[in-house]
Amino acid sequence: GQQVMQIPQYQHVQEGEDFTTYCNSSTTLSNIQWYKQRPGGHPVFLIQLVKSGEVKKQKRLTFQFGEAKKNSSLHITATQTTDVGTYFCAAPNQAGTALIFGKGTTLSVSS
Amino acid sequence: DAGVIQSPRHEVTEMGQEVTLRCKPISGHDYLFWYRQTMMRGLELLIYFNNNVPIDDSGMPEDRFSAKMPNASFSTLKIQPSEPRDSAVYFCASSEGLAMYEQFFGPGTRLTVL
Repeated sequence: GQQVMQIPQYQHVQEGEDFTTYCNSSTTLSNIQWYKQRPGGHPVFLIQLVKSGEVKKQKRLTFQFGEAKKNSSLHITATQTTDVGTYFCAAPNQAGTALIFGKGTTLSVSS
Repeated sequence: DAGVIQSPRHEVTEMGQEVTLRCKPISGHDYLFWYRQTMMRGLELLIYFNNNVPIDDSGMPEDRFSAKMPNASFSTLKIQPSEPRDSAVYFCASSEGLAMYEQFFGPGTRLTVL
């Protein structure tokens, strides 16, 4: 079935370092969403990207949708301990009837 | 709105017992989703409803799993009989639409089957 592949699976950084997670699909995507799940919490929507090459920013977070709409990235500048959690990308299946979630990238930050 | 509400938050049961998980979606949301999250398999869609009607249950692992949505404010996910491999966190989510719409997740039910 359709999958969205996320890398890396885990990432540990020192506070203040940057962090990037990548999401890749073998098929062209109509849109992609990003969610954050804090430890012990539930996924919370961060943003949706729709246009080819789109870049959106939320404070220290920068989201990008590839030109071919087959990949996306989330970059965090100068990580803080509050950034700890698992970041998921999610994209529609071929029929557009459901979101397929990537396995997520778990970020840990040491101060 | 209080967001998506799930109960119980934690459930510990013995193999063979029936388990019922409950969900109240956000008012006005036409879509309700049940997900299961495990370390091995990640976040899996089990079933979703549109206007209380089950649309796609292809993710339901076995006949032991069943889901209902008797009205717009309530849904249940039942496992009977439960098995240790059913241990996971079960999330309910609701949204105004399908894949182009943000999904709002409930806090989840952590199920442990001994």
